[in-house]
Order: sequence, then structure tokens, then C-alpha cells
Amino acid sequence: RKEVEQDPGPFNVPEGATVAFNCTYSNSASQSFFWYRQDCRKEPKLLMSVYSSGNEDGRFTAQLNRASQYISLLIRDSKLSDSATYLCVVIGSNDYKLSFGAGTTVTVRA
Amino acid sequence: NAGVTQTPKFQVLKTGQSMTLQCAQDMNHEYMSWYRQDPGMGLRLIHYSVGAGITDQGEVPNGYNVSRSTTEDFPLRLLSAAPSQTSVYFCASSGGPLNSGNTIYFGEGSWLTVV
Repeated sequence: RKEVEQDPGPFNVPEGATVAFNCTYSNSASQSFFWYRQDCRKEPKLLMSVYSSGNEDGRFTAQLNRASQYISLLIRDSKLSDSATYLCVVIGSNDYKLSFGAGTTVTVRA
Repeated sequence: NAGVTQTPKFQVLKTGQSMTLQCAQDMNHEYMSWYRQDPGMGLRLIHYSVGAGITDQGEVPNGYNVSRSTTEDFPLRLLSAAPSQTSVYFCASSGGPLNSGNTIYFGEGSWLTVV
């Protein structure tokens, strides 16, 4: 079983729509959780950290469910510029190792 | 404001050739790492270093060597390239442990094809 699993998508949504997707992780001892954004042929960039209480950053909302071992990302009022691959990232007991999901591709159309 | 710099950006190698991917950071970060990214898979850790003179293996270290003689540089060596090493390679650095709120910064990636 992979450490971090994501629905690859693609999620193809119109501008203004809401899109949400999840990521599951296998290590119950995982301590930190993140969503990264990766544009085509570019490096991953931190979108937001995910906190136990859930958190928002503008149109983006992230939630963590430790009991079911998943995190989610919701994008409201989608923009064309939100088209990207979203990577779920988990840190376990090794303070220096990021475990990446394969990514969820979102395409926002005009 | 260079951040993490990787060279070369693109490289084609023949099977059996050796080469070094260079990585340098100017943020005085102790932690540096190399990941590879393959289609349908998440980034996977190859090797990492928590300071000059200290290196350790990640998830997929076979076929790669690293050294950390300075804080700034963390080169990745392919000893005898194989087609299975065709991938995109990302170097990354962080100021400290990732569970302690430190952000990891990635280089722009190196596209390697082994024929």
C-alpha cells in the first residue's frame, strides 16, 4: 500500500465552480500535512499546511481527519489559474522525509 | 535571490554513462535532499543530508551517490546510467526539521533521459 494515495483526476470544472478532493495516508503516526501545487514542468510549491482544526487561505480550505486518515482540499470560485496538479504531502516520524501523493490534476475551463 | 539552483536543466545520457546533477542553495540551509518524480508516482526521496559531511539514504538510493562537502552544495551522481533512471530530479533544501514548521524549497528540476 502506498503511503499517500490520491485520486489522480482529472477534475475538469468550469470557472466559478467548487471542486474538492481527498488524499489518504497509511501511517497513523504522521505528524504534518500539506498541500503543494505543481504546474506543468515546474517544481512543487507549498500551497498550504493542513491543521487539525481545518484552515482556510482565501478560496482554499484544507481539512484533516486523523481518525479516517485523510486530508482534503476544497477550492471555491475556481479560477483558470487554479489549473494545476495538487500534491498531498505527509511527514511521518522522520523529520526530513516528505511522502508525496502522485497528485490530483485540476483543469478549470472558461 | 537564487534560492535552490539545479544544473543542468535537461540532459540526455547513454546507458552506462556517468554524470553529476549539481545543486546549490544560498540560504545557509542545513538540510538538503534529492527527489525523483516519475509519471503516476509521487516524488520519491533518493538521498538526503542534514549537514555538511552527513548523508543518508532515502527511499530509492540504488544507482545514486551523494556527498556534502559544503553547506551550499549537494551533488547527485549517477554512477552508470540506466533507462530506469529516466526521470525528473528535484533538489530541495530546508532550514531545519520539516515537522518543526520549516519550509522546504525546491529547485526547478532537472529532466534526465537515459537512452
